[in-house]
Amino acid sequence: AQSVAQPEDQVNVAEGNPLTVKCTYSVSGNPYLFWYVQYPNRGLQFLLKYITGDNLVKGSYGFEAEFNKSQTSFHLKKPSALVSDSALYFCAVEGDALIFGKGTTLSVSS
Amino acid sequence: NAGVTQTPKFRVLKTGQSMTLLCAQDMNHEYMYWYRQDPGMGLRLIHYSVGEGTTAKGEVPDGYNVSRLKKQNFLLGLESAAPSQTSVYFCASSYSWDPTAEQYFGPGTRLTVT
Repeated sequence: AQSVAQPEDQVNVAEGNPLTVKCTYSVSGNPYLFWYVQYPNRGLQFLLKYITGDNLVKGSYGFEAEFNKSQTSFHLKKPSALVSDSALYFCAVEGDALIFGKGTTLSVSS
Repeated sequence: NAGVTQTPKFRVLKTGQSMTLLCAQDMNHEYMYWYRQDPGMGLRLIHYSVGEGTTAKGEVPDGYNVSRLKKQNFLLGLESAAPSQTSVYFCASSYSWDPTAEQYFGPGTRLTVT
C-alpha cells in the first residue's frame, strides 16, 4: 500500500537560514510526489511535484525538492527561509488517490 | 476566476442534525474531492467524483453522502451528525484523471458537532 511519512511535527529555523522539511514515501511503481502548503485558515496550495526526470524539482516561492529514489525520500528545501514561509507543509504521494502525510509545521523566526 | 469556493465557512451542529456543505469550482475540472482534516492526521479522502453524475468512496466515507448533479458543484451531506465529525472539511478539484495533475483546494469549512 502507498504511504507517505513526515517524521517531524515541527521544524524551527531562523530567517535567512536554509530549511529542510523531510518526507519519505512507499509506493509500488513510479512515484508521483507533491508538496502542498497551508497558511493559517486557508486551503492547501500546490508548491511543486515530481513526476520523472531531474531529481531536483523547483516550485513556487523559491522552494525546491530533491527526489532520492534509493532513500525513498522527497525532502522540501529552501536556501534562505523567510518569516512568511511559516505554515503547515504536506507531502503527498499519488496512489489510488492522493495520500497525504500528517504535515509539518514550519516556524521561521526573525 | 474564483477557483474553488466552499459554503458555509463555519457551522455548529448538534448531534443528530443534518447539513449539506457546498463546493463549487469555475475551472471546468472533471474531478472533485472532499477531504477532512484533523490535527495530526493530515487530510483524509471522504468521497470523490470523476465527473458529473458520478461519485465514489474514499478512505473515510461512513456517515457522509455526496452528489455531483452539476459538473461545477460537489455536495457533501451529513445525515446525522456525530461529534466524531467535528473537523475541517476541504473540497478540491483537478482537471483530469491524470495522477500527475495537482489539486486545487477551497478555503475549508470548520464544522463543530456538539
